[in-house]
Amino acid sequence: ILNVEQSPQSLHVQEGDSTNFTCSFPSSNFYALHWYRWETAKSPEALFVMTLNGDEKKKGRISATLNTKEGYSYLYIKGSQPEDSATYLCAFGVDSSYKLIFGSGTRLLVRP
Amino acid sequence: SQTIHQWPATLVQPVGSPLSLECTVEGTSNPNLYWYRQAAGRGLQLLFYSVGIGQISSEVPQNLSASRPQDRQFILSSKKLLLSDSGFYLCAWSRDAGELFFGEGSRLTVL
Repeated sequence: ILNVEQSPQSLHVQEGDSTNFTCSFPSSNFYALHWYRWETAKSPEALFVMTLNGDEKKKGRISATLNTKEGYSYLYIKGSQPEDSATYLCAFGVDSSYKLIFGSGTRLLVRP
Repeated sequence: SQTIHQWPATLVQPVGSPLSLECTVEGTSNPNLYWYRQAAGRGLQLLFYSVGIGQISSEVPQNLSASRPQDRQFILSSKKLLLSDSGFYLCAWSRDAGELFFGEGSRLTVL
């Protein structure tokens, strides 16, 4: 059974703090690693899709890295803002299939 | 631009009753379509995906089924709901094996 683990499960930070989360996935049969942000009362939205070992992607204050050989990805948020409060999901794409296996997410709460 | 809609948004059904959740995509052709479920306190679980009309892949054996009668329509059904079917259901589409675009979600409570 393929398993995707995310840590921590939840995180409370102050506005302005920088933070990071971890996504662990199987190191074999890798195809892609996705990160999504899921705000309350909205639909999940894609942040990044990464396919190559060593990939680093950035969108504003949010960035992500990928290590496919050891099976982990980090998501970083620099200078957290209250609007960053959301659940952050990672998903592991298997082989070249359309199957994405999601982790259970990291719930971030940024206090003003 | 592409849009995805699913309905109903909220549903309360008795055990043993049927279910039909519908999802449509506009603004694209031949999308890959997906049904995911989030049970309480858990991540998103892939239920079904489809790469074309009439082509359905089931990931989890259960009493749910999916159909794709038209290119941009994906339907999740059950003949008899169980308590364990309660959860939040999300439809999504993608091009190839790229990022997913999700619908608004449907919350199902089975009593």
